[in-house]
Amino acid sequence: GENVEQHPSTLSVQEGDSAVIKCTYSDSASNYFPWYKQELGKRPQLIIDIRSNVGEKKDQRIAVTLNKTAKHFSLHITETQPEDSAVYFCAASDSGNQFYFGTGTSLTVIP
Amino acid sequence: DAGVIQSPRHEVTEMGQEVTLRCKPISGHNSLFWYRQTMMRGLELLIYFNNNVPIDDSGMPEDRFSAKMPNASFSTLKIQPSEPRDSAVYFCASRPQGVNTEAFFGQGTRLTVV
Repeated sequence: GENVEQHPSTLSVQEGDSAVIKCTYSDSASNYFPWYKQELGKRPQLIIDIRSNVGEKKDQRIAVTLNKTAKHFSLHITETQPEDSAVYFCAASDSGNQFYFGTGTSLTVIP
Repeated sequence: DAGVIQSPRHEVTEMGQEVTLRCKPISGHNSLFWYRQTMMRGLELLIYFNNNVPIDDSGMPEDRFSAKMPNASFSTLKIQPSEPRDSAVYFCASRPQGVNTEAFFGQGTRLTVV
């Protein structure tokens, strides 16, 4: 099955700086890569996703890049704000419909 | 739509007791997932159903865990007998038909086994 690795496990940045979280996957058949944000005590919720026919996608301060050849994808958050503090999960999914999550990155934005 | 609904939200039980967690997926979604979340292991996929049929249960830790989906609108995850190491937050998620679609999570059930 798919193996998704995520780094770093914890990340602290100053407010206004950028944050980058990286993931790798093992199954070349994976073609859908969502990112979820989980605030303390709440459920994971989708913040952005990217499909295998796209190399980059942006949504305001959030962007995701995908390198299918190298089997890695990254989340970029610019101009970070305290409300960005949360745990972020990457995931990979293939046509079999399963979701495999990374182990999560705990992001702290220091005011 | 109310989203994915899980019950109970919190469960405290004694070691050895049977625990049943419940999930109602979003209407029309044909895939359902059960995940377990702990600090040490993150989000672990326990089992995945497609059209009410279990497709992959390789993540179920051991025979003490079982899951059913008797119809498209209801699923259960049962632990019998429960052990303290089963303490975790259990999430149910559902996903609509087709590839490249988002999975929606329920609020989770926080299980504590004492």
